[in-house]
Amino acid sequence: QVQLVQSGAEVKKPGALVKVSCKASGYTFTSYAIHWVRQAPGQGLEWMGWIDAGNGNTRYSENFQGRITITRDTSASTAYMELSSLISEDTAVYYCAREPIGGAGKYDYWGQGTLVTVSS
Amino acid sequence: QSVLTQPPSVSGAPGQRVTISCTGSSSNIGAGYDVHWYQLLPGTAPKLLIFGNSNRPSGVPDRFSGSKSGTSASLAITGLQAEDEADYYCQSNDSSLGGYVFGTGTKVTVL
Repeated sequence: QVQLVQSGAEVKKPGALVKVSCKASGYTFTSYAIHWVRQAPGQGLEWMGWIDAGNGNTRYSENFQGRITITRDTSASTAYMELSSLISEDTAVYYCAREPIGGAGKYDYWGQGTLVTVSS
Repeated sequence: QSVLTQPPSVSGAPGQRVTISCTGSSSNIGAGYDVHWYQLLPGTAPKLLIFGNSNRPSGVPDRFSGSKSGTSASLAITGLQAEDEADYYCQSNDSSLGGYVFGTGTKVTVL
């Protein structure tokens, strides 16, 4: 069965960098895109960016330009989201989600979420 | 600030019908991009409820339906049940932002 398993919770200091992983199983990793979405406490969902797991092409939300890097390791069927220069407002649950390539943003499977807490 | 606007909350008694609107613009819904809907239960990952404006993934009850017209979309829940109490988000693409956007979210309360 399709599964996206994310890495565990992180606590970071302001100004630091966090890297969250998303390991895929149960499907052909390179036939789909992986998107990253976050939800801050009491807030709504916010799209961050995505990577075509096949060719490695990426696109990022302008809200995170310059701070976010999404990569993938096809040999490990794993995608990564790195966010730098963390501030307290980056405290949120971060999700990865699978999209069929050309699927117009339809996320059919999601990871369990990773809580990132930014605190001094 | 999201470019897709939803009512903050809607409520209904068990068995009733509720609708959630998702209002966009000519750069997203009005540009012809698909609208998808997700359900968020507390402490769980979002679940795809409706894709491609009006399609249900397998396993989603037919009590849930979606529609789209012009620059808006709607999610309807008929025969409201206690288990439907959750947050709901619409999502689409936006050409002016160059990426995907979510709606502001709607909390459904079953009275």
